[in-house]
Amino acid sequence: DAKTTQPNSMESNEEEPVHLPCNHSTISGTDYIHWYRQLPSQGPEYVIHGLTSNVNNRMASLAIAEDRKSSTLILHRATLRDAAVYYCILRGSTNAGGTSYGKLTFGQGTILTVHP
Amino acid sequence: NAGVMQNPRHLVRRRGQEARLRCSPMKGHSHVYWYRQLPEEGLKFMVYLQKENIIDESGMPKERFSAEFPKEGPSILRIQQVVRGDSAAYFCASSPLLAGGGNEQFFGPGTRLTVL
Repeated sequence: DAKTTQPNSMESNEEEPVHLPCNHSTISGTDYIHWYRQLPSQGPEYVIHGLTSNVNNRMASLAIAEDRKSSTLILHRATLRDAAVYYCILRGSTNAGGTSYGKLTFGQGTILTVHP
Repeated sequence: NAGVMQNPRHLVRRRGQEARLRCSPMKGHSHVYWYRQLPEEGLKFMVYLQKENIIDESGMPKERFSAEFPKEGPSILRIQQVVRGDSAAYFCASSPLLAGGGNEQFFGPGTRLTVL
């Protein structure tokens, strides 16, 4: 599986934007970029995903570099409830064959601390 | 629409006993995944199942662990002769019919297994 690299931790103040970076220099052309987060004592939660174009949803925005070797998850206004571990994950397409497209490979993620 | 359900939420077993963890996927989802999170460690993929089939069990320990997803009923993760090292949070996730790179996984709240 292609590897992702994220900072171990980041801090933000409440109501401010947060930019969480992810490097994935070995990404293949069919890999999707997914972001999940895990709040304390809970199961992971899907945040957003994209392939080539920037994406927006009600939770966040995903900015993908033109060469796709990096991406940034943007939380527009951090709240205390956004304090979590954020995981950047690459997932292969079904069209690429094999069974590895099914599983999510979690790295260490970025621990986001939000200060009131 | 109910989310992914797991039970029990907490399970205590003594060494040598069996543990059965249940997962009911979201309605209409036919793909189930199990992940394990050991204390102070990241989430690790264990197994990926479709109805009555194991698709990818590359993350399952070779002994004592088994999983099934029958035609009717929940998916079961079974751990025989538990040892203290099996103490962890076990998360189940499900996804719709197409489990490819562009689809998200929905996670349950987890079962926290403690082996005494």
